[in-house]
Amino acid sequence: EAGVVQSPRYKIIEKKQPVAFWCNPISGHNTLYWYRQNLGQGPELLIRYENEEAVDDSQLPKDRFSAERLKGVDSTLKIQPAELGDSAVYLCASSLVLTEAFFGQGTRLTVV
Amino acid sequence: AQSVTQLDSQVPVFEEAPVELRCNYSSSVSVYLFWYVQYPNQGLQLLLKYLSGSTLVKGINGFEAEFNKSQTSFHLRKPSVHISDTAEYFCAVSLDTGRRALTFGSGTRLQVQP
Repeated sequence: EAGVVQSPRYKIIEKKQPVAFWCNPISGHNTLYWYRQNLGQGPELLIRYENEEAVDDSQLPKDRFSAERLKGVDSTLKIQPAELGDSAVYLCASSLVLTEAFFGQGTRLTVV
Repeated sequence: AQSVTQLDSQVPVFEEAPVELRCNYSSSVSVYLFWYVQYPNQGLQLLLKYLSGSTLVKGINGFEAEFNKSQTSFHLRKPSVHISDTAEYFCAVSLDTGRRALTFGSGTRLQVQP
């Protein structure tokens, strides 16, 4: 069974440029999460989807970040414009039941 | 709101020695508890989880953890570590009230030396 797939694995952009990350969750998983992991820290939730609905986006910086999950499957996370402080690893995870989340390998973003 | 504290940022240990990685949490409601491992340039892999029942939980790769409600702790242990256990370990909690997202600690870097 395929795990959570994220792309790209690495991205380097100049500040003020836009960037997008893509996530394909495990088949059948109705819950999808985006986390951000800063260097030397644990992941922090950005947004959680239940099917197509964003049920928890309180930590998403809405002035520059946006996300969507069309048809309750794949999801994209966008940053526009990117700032130097956005450099981090962006992790996508999915789950079927209440508590066990499966993580993708992440996208490492470097803003220069 | 819940929080997780991992008391040690780095734990150096010799191969075949035992190890304990400490985790304490705070929450006003019941929680589920997890340990994840992250190898370099990889995502997080679940080691073990406590949902209910026996307080001693066994996971993959020979790891185990014990839930202690009175001390609000969930320490991770392994009786004999290998070089391949070198990685970052994260403790996490999830509320059992329907809020499913995980709150992570800051991580402990386990460095196994030959």
